Amino acid sequence: DQQVKQNSPSLSVQEGRISILNCDYTNSMFDYFLWYKKYPAEGPTFLISISSIKDKNEDGRFTVFLNKSAKHLSLHIVPSQPGDSAVYFCAAAGGNTGKLIFGQGTTLQVKP
Amino acid sequence: DAGVTQSPTHLIKTRGQQVTLRCSPKSGHDTVSWYQQALGQGPQFIFQYYEEEERQRGNFPDRFSGHQFPNYSSELNVNALLLGDSALYLCASSEANQPQHFGDGTRLSIL
Repeated sequence: DQQVKQNSPSLSVQEGRISILNCDYTNSMFDYFLWYKKYPAEGPTFLISISSIKDKNEDGRFTVFLNKSAKHLSLHIVPSQPGDSAVYFCAAAGGNTGKLIFGQGTTLQVKP
Repeated sequence: DAGVTQSPTHLIKTRGQQVTLRCSPKSGHDTVSWYQQALGQGPQFIFQYYEEEERQRGNFPDRFSGHQFPNYSSELNVNALLLGDSALYLCASSEANQPQHFGDGTRLSIL
């Protein structure tokens, strides 16, 4: 039972353009969502998070949008840079449990 | 300021053996979580330790056990290894209500 889904295995974007990564979830008990970036041979690096009491959170080039009614979140990267090329995971947690449920990941390639 | 450190980085074992993986949390973090990441998948939660006790557990068999020490470092033990246990094992640390920070993992291969 995949509670967090990233339906696009890969995404290719031109440098300077916007990258939009999507994530859907099924469990309405989730109230905290995070995005991580992972380079090969490294552990996931925390990027940005959002609580369910908000619908948007911004940090520099990264913005996360949360649509609770659709159980959907997205990560926008503007402008995209070649160094952003990595695997991006969304994760969800609920009830202050600290247990993160991850999606399968989306590989982003930013072309120069 | 050192982040989360894990050892060893790579390990090769045979079926039926036992393995211990180690994790030192980021300075100031008191909670340690362990995840298993199979190839092409997202990390799957194994368990979480806080104040030297297992606070939460995912859907993993009892062959997977852990420990947290007074200095907050942690070990993951896996007994009776199976081929399917081959994966990247990630440790994450955090402090209360803050995002988890991950180490670079231990790549475990079972022959």
